[in-house]
Amino acid sequence: EVQLLESGGGLVQPGGSLRLSCAASGFTFRTYAMSWVRQAPGKGLEWVSAISGSGGSTFHADSVKGRFTISRDNPKNTLYLQMNSLRAEDTAVYYCAKGLQQWLVVDGFDIWGQGTLVTVSS
Amino acid sequence: DIQMTQSPSSLSASVGDRVTITCRASQGIGNYLAWYQQKPGKVPNLLIYAASTLQSGVPSRFSGSGSGIDFTLTISSLQPEDVATYYCQVYNSAPQTFGGGTKVQIK
Repeated sequence: EVQLLESGGGLVQPGGSLRLSCAASGFTFRTYAMSWVRQAPGKGLEWVSAISGSGGSTFHADSVKGRFTISRDNPKNTLYLQMNSLRAEDTAVYYCAKGLQQWLVVDGFDIWGQGTLVTVSS
Repeated sequence: DIQMTQSPSSLSASVGDRVTITCRASQGIGNYLAWYQQKPGKVPNLLIYAASTLQSGVPSRFSGSGSGIDFTLTISSLQPEDVATYYCQVYNSAPQTFGGGTKVQIK
């Protein structure tokens, strides 16, 4: 069974840092692009970051560029999101999501994790 | 960046009604369009990709159409379990922008 399990969320003060992890299982992790998508309380979905299967290509939304970094460890089947200089507006549930087709760098998402809540507040 | 405009933002319809949601891209995106359903308190679920391909396991009352700029998600006969918010998403390039969502309720 294909599964994604996020961890690392929590309460952090403005200006602080947090690293999210997403453990993948049930598929050949290194062959699929992965993304992070967030959803602020009561709001819609916002794509945050994407990374190719090899990790050689990364993309970030303008709202997080320069503050967030997506990475992956393929031998460990794990996706990461390093979040620095956090702001109140980064408060959201963060989902990791698996690309639909193998080998594409940018793709739709067929599997989503359960999400991890990040709260930025003093 | 490509902007995705969804309409309506909400709708209320009766069980058995045909429901249509539209999504317009700010520029041509071919058929790189996906639709997701998010039920209250749940994780988003892929319904349709490549504008019109039904994801495995999704009921056949859901269908998608369109190409280029204008896209449509249709529920042929609305069921109580279809109460959810629906999002379109472009994925021909980054950023993989989502539409603002359409909340579907039962009248």
